[in-house]
Amino acid sequence: EAGVVQSPRYKIIEKKQPVAFWCNPISGHNTLYWYRQNLGQGPELLIRYENEEAVDDSQLPKDRFSAERLKGVDSTLKIQPAELGDSAVYLCASSHRRGENTEAFFGQGTRLTVV
Amino acid sequence: EDQVTQSPEALRLQEGESSSLNCSYTVSGLRGLFWYRQDPGKGPEFLFTLYSAGEEKEKERLKATLTKKESFLHITAPKPEDSATYLCAVRDNFNKFYFGSGTKLNVKP
Repeated sequence: EAGVVQSPRYKIIEKKQPVAFWCNPISGHNTLYWYRQNLGQGPELLIRYENEEAVDDSQLPKDRFSAERLKGVDSTLKIQPAELGDSAVYLCASSHRRGENTEAFFGQGTRLTVV
Repeated sequence: EDQVTQSPEALRLQEGESSSLNCSYTVSGLRGLFWYRQDPGKGPEFLFTLYSAGEEKEKERLKATLTKKESFLHITAPKPEDSATYLCAVRDNFNKFYFGSGTKLNVKP
């Protein structure tokens, strides 16, 4: 079974430029998460989808961040414009919404550097 | 407010020296406590899920236990390949995951 796939693995951009990250979750997983992880910290939730609906985006900086999950499968996270403080690893994860096995499985992440 | 605190922040062990990592939590309706391992430059790798106080799970040299307020990850006779950051997370009644900051484990040969 394929895991969560993210691309690109690395991205370096200048501040004020736009950037987008892509995520393909594990097949059959209804729930998709985007996290941001700063160096030496645990992941922090940005947005959670149940199928195609964003059910928790309270931590998403909506002035510059946006996300979509068309057809309830793949998802894209966008930053426009990027700021220096956005440098971090952006992680995508997916899980079953219901059932006994409710752990989330993570992709390899996208390391963003804003210069 | 839901919260997860891990200690210590960093732990250095000699190969074969057993120890424990702590994860204390405050959550409204625990729907699961999760342990992950994260190697540098990689995403977190799932290890265990615990659902109720008294539950224990084992995998090779790792054993996770759960009480009503905390979880321990016991490492027995660790090897250098066990070196990684270990993350604890909880899932609440609203399907939200909260992560701790992790414990960075370094096992010296």
